[in-house]
Amino acid sequence: SAVISQKPSRDICQRGTSLTIQCQVDSQVTMMFWYRQQPGQSLTLIATANQGSEATYESGFVIDKFPISRPNLTFSTLTVSNMSPEDSSIYLCSVAGPGGYTFGSGTRLTVV
Amino acid sequence: ILNVEQSPQSLHVQEGDSTNFTCSFPSSNFYALHWYRWETAKSPEALFVMTLNGDEKKKGRISATLNTKEGYSYLYIKGSQPEDSATYLCAFMNGAGGTSYGKLTFGQGTILTVHP
Repeated sequence: SAVISQKPSRDICQRGTSLTIQCQVDSQVTMMFWYRQQPGQSLTLIATANQGSEATYESGFVIDKFPISRPNLTFSTLTVSNMSPEDSSIYLCSVAGPGGYTFGSGTRLTVV
Repeated sequence: ILNVEQSPQSLHVQEGDSTNFTCSFPSSNFYALHWYRWETAKSPEALFVMTLNGDEKKKGRISATLNTKEGYSYLYIKGSQPEDSATYLCAFMNGAGGTSYGKLTFGQGTILTVHP
């Protein structure tokens, strides 16, 4: 299965600022998925990132708040823009595989 | 909105105990049911992908069953060890057409703590 390197692993950010999270996959993949887990909540899909096209966002998530880049088949970034304390979450990227999805190690974000 | 429920929310057991958790999911538009183990500060790790009604899968001391007609799956751990302590997540994969196809909807997880 694929190996995903995700960074940063954690950050503490001031409200109103932005943070960009990076995921590098060791093989070429068509779709990459970005998830968020707010405290006490389920892992929730933010968007699906396809190479060469705009990301597809789930209900409740918008491009202005969570812009995504997918410049090639092994890399993607998610930016959390104009952060507020409600954005404090664990953010995960993932790719699909035959034995289930492979996830990055997560970015634990705290907004103060 | 798809409803995927896991119970219990948390569980404390002694080393050597056997335990099980439940995942309930919609019985319509079923494509697959995933189980993951998520240890603190690590990536979620895939345990099982189950697709057929009546499926039973096993990996070491961990096994899972699937009932797609009634919409539930059980995860069993035999002889729990402290290293089994983690959050266990199930995820429903939608088989409906359109933009829902293939997406995973996760339950909130069961937090297992195994005490030595």
